[in-house]
Amino acid sequence: GQSLEQPSEVTAVEGAIVQINCTYQTSGFYGLSWYQQHDGGAPTFLSYNALDGLEETGRFSSFLSRSDSYGYLLLQELQMKDSASYFCAPSGYSTLTFGKGTMLLVSP
Amino acid sequence: NAGVTQTPKFQVLKTGQSMTLQCAQDMNHNSMYWYRQDPGMGLRLIYYSASEGTTDKGEVPNGYNVSRLNKREFSLRLESAAPSQTSVYFCASSEAAGTAGYGYTFGSGTRLTVV
Repeated sequence: GQSLEQPSEVTAVEGAIVQINCTYQTSGFYGLSWYQQHDGGAPTFLSYNALDGLEETGRFSSFLSRSDSYGYLLLQELQMKDSASYFCAPSGYSTLTFGKGTMLLVSP
Repeated sequence: NAGVTQTPKFQVLKTGQSMTLQCAQDMNHNSMYWYRQDPGMGLRLIYYSASEGTTDKGEVPNGYNVSRLNKREFSLRLESAAPSQTSVYFCASSEAAGTAGYGYTFGSGTRLTVV
């Protein structure tokens, strides 16, 4: 069967670094995506890892270990606007499966 | 560019009524998707269309039908609405199957309440 685990909530202060972990179990795995969703908004694409290792995009980095079925999203220099929900989403060939999301609360 | 446009943005239905949620994209994407989002449940795939002329069931297809009208448009129909279908519905598109690395583009959502 398929399973997807990520923490439900993470809190941090402005300027800090936070890591959101994701473990998955899915068939036909192609890669791992991360999406951000602000309250009341639409999900927006952040990053994608097809191969093991770290991908960096500005303040955000994403990591994948295919052998461990594990990935994480690293957010650096946190800003108040980073308060949102973050979803990991393993992809098969045709579709994405979204986790329940991690709500990140950034405080001053 | 408008990206992915969903209509309506809000809708209240009575139990048993039917309605169609409309979705159109202007990015020349081949694949389109319908997700629903409920509190604490994340996004769950209802139906998808990997390419024009094809549709497939996702995780939660019961109570829904879809039509890929053309490359741009993908509609979702509720034939007989039930309170359990109260949710936020998101349409999304991507370049093609197998291109998750380029990201899905989501519409702004339709907030549906069934009373």
